[in-house]
Order: sequence, then C-alpha cells, then structure tokens
Amino acid sequence: AQSVTQLDSQVPVFEEAPVELRCNYSSSVSVYLFWYVQYPNQGLQLLLKYLSGSTLVESINGFEAEFNKSQTSFHLRKPSVHISDTAEYFCAVSDRDYKLSFGAGTTVTVRA
Amino acid sequence: EAGVTQFPSHSVIEKGQTVTLRCDPISGHDNLYWYRRVMGKEIKFLLHFVKESKQDESGMPNNRFLAERTGGTYSTLKVQPAELEDSGVYFCASSQGIRSAEQFFGPGTRLTVL
Repeated sequence: AQSVTQLDSQVPVFEEAPVELRCNYSSSVSVYLFWYVQYPNQGLQLLLKYLSGSTLVESINGFEAEFNKSQTSFHLRKPSVHISDTAEYFCAVSDRDYKLSFGAGTTVTVRA
Repeated sequence: EAGVTQFPSHSVIEKGQTVTLRCDPISGHDNLYWYRRVMGKEIKFLLHFVKESKQDESGMPNNRFLAERTGGTYSTLKVQPAELEDSGVYFCASSQGIRSAEQFFGPGTRLTVL
C-alpha cells in the first residue's frame, strides 16, 4: 500500500511571503501525484498533478510542485501567498489502482 | 455543469442506529469513489465503482458498511449499526475514463455517532 507523508500539519505564513508544503511518498513503481486543496466549508479541489514529462508542474493560481523521483518527493510551493490561500492542502498518490492515497493534510493560515 | 453532490451535509445519530449517505456524481462519470476522513487522520479510500459494479472495495472497514450504486448513477453508503468510530467526514468523488483522470470531490457528509 502507498504511504504519503506530509511533514507539516500547520503552516502559518504572512501575506506575500513564500510557502513550501512538503510531501514524501513511498512507492517503487510509477506513480501519479496530486495536490488537492480544501477551502473552508468546501469539497476538495484539484490544484495540480504530475503524470509524466516535465517534473515541474504549475497551477493557474501561482502554485507549483516539483516531482523528485530519487527523493520520492512532490513538494508544493508558492512564492507569494494571499489571504485567499488559507486552506487545507492534501498530497495524494495513485499507483496501479485508481484509488488515491492521501497524506494527513497541511493547514495553511495566511495572516495579513 | 453540476458538480458532485452529497446528502446530507451533516448527520448526528446514536450508536446502534442506521444511517444512509447519498452521492450524486457528475453526469456521465463511470467511476465513483467513497473516501472517509476520521478526525485528525488522513483521507482513506473505501471503495470504487465502475458504473454499477464494485471494482475495488478493499478499504471498506467491515461488514457494517454497505455501498450500492443503482443503475450506475447515484450511490448510497449505509452504515448499520453505526459505532462511535464511524464518526468522520465521508467524501464521494467521481471521474471519467482513465486512471490519471481527475477525481472530482463532493463537499462531504459529516457523520457524528454519539
């Protein structure tokens, strides 16, 4: 079974500061990697995904994540956060199956 | 286009009672998934339907949980009888086609068993 570790459960950050959310996974096979975001009182939304090709993937709202196969990591970054980025972020992995294995989530709180 | 909807949004029941959660996937999505998040823990897979067939139910915790998908459309997840440890948020998701396709999630049903 897949194991996904999100190293930080809570990340407080000031507006316009950078943020990095760390994600490591355990798998010896080819995987698909995802970051989902859950805003308050809403469902999970896909933020970005890595399937193949370029190891750096970007979202439309300024987030990016880099797949590092040797370190089995898929860290999420944003160079300058906004108040509206306050949410819980989930790293997820799928390998042979359709099902997703999630990390425990990282709550990002952006302060003015 | 409507997203994935779930009903109810919240449910509070007594231990030993029965609860049925409903999920309406995005129209045309053959794949339907149930996940659960117990307080403070990670979101865990319960099962996967392809149309009306159970493709993978390896995450179902025990035989108190019964999932159905009528005619390959909406799905229900019944818990009977409910236990305290069943409390959590139950998410439904749907997708179309291949394994890499995005799973669209509903807002979840928060179940509290007292």
